[in-house]
Amino acid sequence: AQSVAQPEDQVNVAEGNPLTVKCTYSVSGNPYLFWYVQYPNRGLQFLLKYITGDNLVKGSYGFEAEFNKSQTSFHLKKPSALVSDSALYFCAVRDVSGGSYIPTFGRGTSLIVHP
Amino acid sequence: EPEVTQTPSHQVTQMGQEVILRCVPISNHLYFYWYRQILGQKVEFLVSFYNNEISEKSEIFDDQFSVERPDGSNFTLKIRSTKLEDSAMYFCASSPSGASYEQYFGPGTRLTVT
Repeated sequence: AQSVAQPEDQVNVAEGNPLTVKCTYSVSGNPYLFWYVQYPNRGLQFLLKYITGDNLVKGSYGFEAEFNKSQTSFHLKKPSALVSDSALYFCAVRDVSGGSYIPTFGRGTSLIVHP
Repeated sequence: EPEVTQTPSHQVTQMGQEVILRCVPISNHLYFYWYRQILGQKVEFLVSFYNNEISEKSEIFDDQFSVERPDGSNFTLKIRSTKLEDSAMYFCASSPSGASYEQYFGPGTRLTVT
């Protein structure tokens, strides 16, 4: 079974400050990990993914995420937040060794960046 | 940049009526998906479709639901007899392969069942 947890419903950060949105996962084998962003009344947009290789993954809009196998985490980070980053962020995981191609999504974390 | 499109953007229907939600996936993609998101809740997988047949489905995808790729470009989700609890945002997604690739989501259809 695969599962993902986003422990924070909401993250508040001031513009210009670094931001972190947390994600932890559980899989039987090795994970494929994804971050998506959802702006109001829009579909999910892919930000970045970890498949294999470097633990630090860089994605769109200056976001990055670090895969930490020992802590089973894949936190999303950005060095300097923008007001326009305010959105709903979803972490997703797929078990590489599972027979399913379907990722499991977290409940989402609302990021609010204050001017 | 190619994108997934969905129509209509908003559908209002009465309980018990049939609805068809339409999607045009990205043209060279091979895997297609439907998800739903009830207001304020998580994104839930409904069904995946590959090689003109359902490859996976969730327990939500019961006999009231069906999918079709009628003409090689459109991908449809039909709900035969809608219930109030079917009210949700329905997202179509596609991916070039099933293995490691991210999914590309459409903007969604908001279904309101009254």
